[in-house]
Amino acid sequence: QSALTQPPSASGSPGQSVAISCTGTSSDVGGYNYVSWYQQHPGKAPKLMIYEVNRRPSGVPYRFSGSKSGNTASLTVSGLQAEDEATYFCSSYGGNNNYVFGTGTQVIVL
Amino acid sequence: ELHLVQSGSEVKKSGESLTISCKASGYDFRTYWIAWVRQMPGKGLEWMGFIYPADSDARYNPSFQGQVTMSVDKSLSTAYLQWNSLKASDTAMYYCARGGWSTTAPFDPWGQGTLVTVSS
Repeated sequence: QSALTQPPSASGSPGQSVAISCTGTSSDVGGYNYVSWYQQHPGKAPKLMIYEVNRRPSGVPYRFSGSKSGNTASLTVSGLQAEDEATYFCSSYGGNNNYVFGTGTQVIVL
Repeated sequence: ELHLVQSGSEVKKSGESLTISCKASGYDFRTYWIAWVRQMPGKGLEWMGFIYPADSDARYNPSFQGQVTMSVDKSLSTAYLQWNSLKASDTAMYYCARGGWSTTAPFDPWGQGTLVTVSS
């Protein structure tokens, strides 16, 4: 199963919004509502930010939101803050007990 | 509080064997899938597979099938990832993460990672 496609980088000024896309196929992103997003700061373990396309775990700020249309999922960070600067990975269940991650997007806060 | 604590960094030579561990606490270890994820230096995340501790049912990413072995010790609430013959290309950070009751669940929380360095 091929990695999901994400843009290498995205940027925005503090207070602005940034959206990151995650493109897969009908066998993964398009076929299931099991898309998750993870935040990884340098040298740290990933942290779950969004699951099942648009659900936020307890403790994740409301400014993080997720959506999906067809084979593409998106993560939007509204009201960008300095601490949001990190790499974000999407993931999707791919059927037959398989999982696939995205290529990762580095978010830069200008 | 949920915690996954992984074993420390390892430096090995090609051809050597290795087992790294992931100790869980704060929940019923037996009934949640445990996933293993590889991150090569400067690269993205790769799902290696997951294992269900209650019955050691293991599902592997085809890319890792035959290259590694996942196992658990329920009495110690610990999951293991094993290599029989390391290669330089196994140099990476390895994370364990808790899944859910089903294989569709997200991974949360994650262990702190185990850095494996293999010299040729």
